[in-house]
Amino acid sequence: EAQVTQNPRYLITVTGKKLTVTCSQNMNHEYMSWYRQDPGLGLRQIYYSMNVEVTDKGDVPEGYKVSRKEKRNFPLILESPSPNQTSLYFCASSLRSGGSDEQFFGPGTRLTVL
Amino acid sequence: GQNIDQPTEMTATEGAIVQINCTYQTSGFNGLFWYQQHAGEAPTFLSYNVLDGLEEKGRFSSFLSRSKGYSYLLLKELQMKDSASYLCAVRERRGNKLVFGAGTILRVKS
Repeated sequence: EAQVTQNPRYLITVTGKKLTVTCSQNMNHEYMSWYRQDPGLGLRQIYYSMNVEVTDKGDVPEGYKVSRKEKRNFPLILESPSPNQTSLYFCASSLRSGGSDEQFFGPGTRLTVL
Repeated sequence: GQNIDQPTEMTATEGAIVQINCTYQTSGFNGLFWYQQHAGEAPTFLSYNVLDGLEEKGRFSSFLSRSKGYSYLLLKELQMKDSASYLCAVRERRGNKLVFGAGTILRVKS
């Protein structure tokens, strides 16, 4: 089944404890992206990747890191999480980044930072 | 940059028709998407418009006017399962970035 998977789905952690949220897609998509979703603000892009070893900042990259060593994986790293990073996170992928290429979303990761 | 506006909430009756509007301002337009998102779930793709006019897909249609910076999503024969948030997203020409509106929560009542 074609899908985007994320792990973990739910995470409660404490300020400053490094964490990684994994994202993997099995559709051979070139483009991958991370979003956070907060009430009233919609989906905001954190980082994106056009292809392997090509990543760039989105609108809200502060406090986050990403890597794209393989085409299928795009992990999101929070080196020192803070309470303002409490949010619902979605990973998405598309064949490429342009035209009518729709983005497929993972199931989401609900992160709480205490 | 981009600014995307949608109504925050709408309520409609089962079996009826509802229109969800989206207005946008962009420095370089390269397509508009509508996504559906049920509470606690991932967004799923509904429609894509890049040229002016109406795109119809079953009970769902989407309209675009590039000169007015305006789109709407039309849902016909509403069902209870259509209760969800509807997200308007505009693709910028520069970098092909996708920018989302805050979404419209649609409540369908019987």
